[in-house]
Amino acid sequence: AQSVSQHNHHVILSEAASLELGCNYSYGGTVNLFWYVQYPGQHLQLLLKYFSGDPLVKGIKGFEAEFIKSKFSFNLRKPSVQWSDTAEYFCAVNIYNQGGKLIFGQGTELSVKP
Amino acid sequence: EPEVTQTPSHQVTQMGQEVILRCVPISNHLYFYWYRQILGQKVEFLVSFYNNEISEKSEIFDDQFSVERPDGSNFTLKIRSTKLEDSAMYFCASRLVTEPGDTQYFGPGTRLTVL
Repeated sequence: AQSVSQHNHHVILSEAASLELGCNYSYGGTVNLFWYVQYPGQHLQLLLKYFSGDPLVKGIKGFEAEFIKSKFSFNLRKPSVQWSDTAEYFCAVNIYNQGGKLIFGQGTELSVKP
Repeated sequence: EPEVTQTPSHQVTQMGQEVILRCVPISNHLYFYWYRQILGQKVEFLVSFYNNEISEKSEIFDDQFSVERPDGSNFTLKIRSTKLEDSAMYFCASRLVTEPGDTQYFGPGTRLTVL
């Protein structure tokens, strides 16, 4: 069965530190890839997504992610985090042309210290 | 900006009771989903719904669960006889369906507590 793994359960950073959250998936075919963020008390919001074209995608709030097909990875990065980035981050995959259900990783909680 | 809404935000029920969780998807969206997240676990897909019928369902979505689009705006999830292990956050999502990488927009969730 397809699955998504996020390497870090809880990451603690100071403001201005760089961030990289790992995400790997297991499926050999074509996929669409997503990063969602859930700020405290809010609903899941899309940060960025990849479904074709340039494997380096840019999202909202200065986030970017790189799809490396050979490594089945879609890591999320931000060069300099802010306190307001404190949230839970979810990587998700859907299988191309299979109805769109999302398969989620377990989430990474990011705490940014001011 | 249009949003997916869900009611109630929190539902407490006794084991064996029926519950209905309600969602209003974004108005021009065509694909609807329910997911759940048990505390400390992954967000899990339950069911997808398109063109007034179930498109796909997971192993979790057994005979105790049903979905309905009773009118042009609501999308409901019914759990017929709740069990303790149904306690979770239930998320509704909707999607426009114009391309394979369409974004799913999520509602704020309903926290279901089964006692």
